[in-house]
Amino acid sequence: DTEVTQTPKHLVMGMTNKKSLKCEQHMGHRAMYWYKQKAKKPPELMFVYSYEKLSINESVPSRFSPECPNSSLLNLHLHALQPEDSALYLCASSPGPFREYEQYFGPGTRLTVT
Amino acid sequence: EDKVVQSPLSLVVHEGDTVTLNCSYEVTNFRSLLWYKQEKKAPTFLFMLTSSGIEKKSGRLSSILDKKELFSILNITATQTGDSAVYLCAVVYGGATNKLIFGTGTLLAVQP
Repeated sequence: DTEVTQTPKHLVMGMTNKKSLKCEQHMGHRAMYWYKQKAKKPPELMFVYSYEKLSINESVPSRFSPECPNSSLLNLHLHALQPEDSALYLCASSPGPFREYEQYFGPGTRLTVT
Repeated sequence: EDKVVQSPLSLVVHEGDTVTLNCSYEVTNFRSLLWYKQEKKAPTFLFMLTSSGIEKKSGRLSSILDKKELFSILNITATQTGDSAVYLCAVVYGGATNKLIFGTGTLLAVQP
């Protein structure tokens, strides 16, 4: 298995909803990442988990809450989002030490906040 | 301010042409530079460069890093329509914890 999967592919939620995005990889990678990408802009790093511990949090608002239940799974819990949070949310994984940013991306979840 | 700048912003070529994409950076404690190709969906990893002057090559694509002049180039020879995509450069930098920022990308369109 050489891919990163993300569910759902599309998500529409209201500003009062609570939802979660899920990311999974079975390549034995030890680092996983969440990115946010707006249209015609490059991805912006949100969180990095290394060996299942949060190592980087790029000053992301608390309405985004990451979770790494095990080395294969990464979740992003969403609560009280704003319309400007609408974007493509990308998950990535990388092998680990010395190859931290040789990242493999999932297809993304297209999020629309109404 | 740490930044990564790519040029040109967009480029239109014909099949068979050779293109050179540029990425320059200004960051503190540079660690590595990465190139990605993004078509309709997620970026796909192309190269990671950490040392100056060592060319990385994969088929018709090659890349090199100049840590003295703070830039990298991505060359694509004998372009094909399937090379049409946004090419993203990203730089990993930082001290105790790594940071990563992407450039704005170069949109390449290869016409038949």
